[in-house]
Amino acid sequence: AQRVTQPEKLLSVFKGAPVELKCNYSYSGSPELFWYVQYSRQRLQLLLRHISRESIKGFTADLNKGETSFHLKKPFAQEEDSAMYYCALSGRSNYQLIWGAGTKLIIKP
Amino acid sequence: ETGVTQTPRHLVMGMTNKKSLKCEQHLGHNAMYWYKQSAKKPLELMFVYNFKEQTENNSVPSRFSPECPNSSHLFLHLHTLQPEDSALYLCASSQGLRAGETQYFGPGTRLLVL
Repeated sequence: AQRVTQPEKLLSVFKGAPVELKCNYSYSGSPELFWYVQYSRQRLQLLLRHISRESIKGFTADLNKGETSFHLKKPFAQEEDSAMYYCALSGRSNYQLIWGAGTKLIIKP
Repeated sequence: ETGVTQTPRHLVMGMTNKKSLKCEQHLGHNAMYWYKQSAKKPLELMFVYNFKEQTENNSVPSRFSPECPNSSHLFLHLHTLQPEDSALYLCASSQGLRAGETQYFGPGTRLLVL
């Protein structure tokens, strides 16, 4: 079955601490993985995609095909990182996104 | 206004009412989507349109009826809904339907069915 799992519904860390939001997936082909973010009172938006291999707002994510994971990391959390984070997957030939249930990240001052 | 807009932002309706949700995108995109977002659940794709043609209907009950008169506008007509249909309904658009296309979301319509 094709599935995206975000095991943590809520993650709370102190400002300046490292952050890792977990994402595991189950997919039979070669997936493309994404992280979308929704800040308070803002709309859902793309944060980054694995194929771009870029760092956005200090966040990075590496696709680990062996562990079927795409964890989102940031070495030093900022208060403005508080938001809902969604991991999503699509196939290389399929535009439909399969979504995780999301993780609420709270950065404590 | 730029981006993807949705109206109304909040809607309360009875089970016998008929209402419509509206989505408009100002990005020049060709594909538009309706999603349902229930609390603590993954987003559920409901319908997809590409160049005004419906390409996906993910087993959505017939009490939800989409309409796409052109590539910029998307409607979701609602009738005889159930309380379990209460959710946030998100509209999104993308340039096309290629794998990996970024989807751009509207702010959503918060629907409560009484």
